[in-house]
Amino acid sequence: GENVEQHPSTLSVQEGDSAVIKCTYSDSASNYFPWYKQELGKRPQLIIDIRSNVGEKKDQRIAVTLNKTAKHFSLHITETQPEDSAVYFCAVAGGTSYGKLTFGQGTILTVHP
Amino acid sequence: GAGVSQSPSNKVTEKGKDVELRCDPISGHTALYWYRQSLGQGLEFLIYFQGNSAPDKSGLPSDRFSAERTGGSVSTLTIQRTQQEDSAVYLCASTSGQGSYEQYFGPGTRLTVT
Repeated sequence: GENVEQHPSTLSVQEGDSAVIKCTYSDSASNYFPWYKQELGKRPQLIIDIRSNVGEKKDQRIAVTLNKTAKHFSLHITETQPEDSAVYFCAVAGGTSYGKLTFGQGTILTVHP
Repeated sequence: GAGVSQSPSNKVTEKGKDVELRCDPISGHTALYWYRQSLGQGLEFLIYFQGNSAPDKSGLPSDRFSAERTGGSVSTLTIQRTQQEDSAVYLCASTSGQGSYEQYFGPGTRLTVT
């Protein structure tokens, strides 16, 4: 089955800096790559996603880039703010897994004011 | 409109007892997923329902776990003879199906087995 690796496991930045989280996956047939933000005690919230026919997608301060050849995708957060502090999960779906999501292990992002 | 809802929000049970967890998906969503999140861990896929098709049970960790979806809407996840390692947050998500992969999660049920 699909295997997803996420790095780093923790990331600490100063307010205003950029943050980058990277995920690699194993199934070359996968075609859907979402990112979820989970605050303490809350449900995961979909913040951005990308399909395999697109290389990059932006939404205000958040962007996701996809390299299908290398089988990795990254989340970029610019001008970080303290409210961006949370756990971020990447996930992969499609191919032999169809709609079920395989998640990375998560990255704890801390933005220091 | 209303999002995915789950009940109960918290459940404490004694080892060996059976529990039922409920999920109400977004109205009209044909696909429903169950995941499990252990403390400080990522989400682990359990089971997936799509319309009238046979469910994908490939993620269920043992035969103590089962789920059903009645009338293509509400789903119940049942854990029989609970063990301490079953303690986790159980999350449900739904999508509109038909090629849509965007999954929206419910608030989860926190299960504690003592």
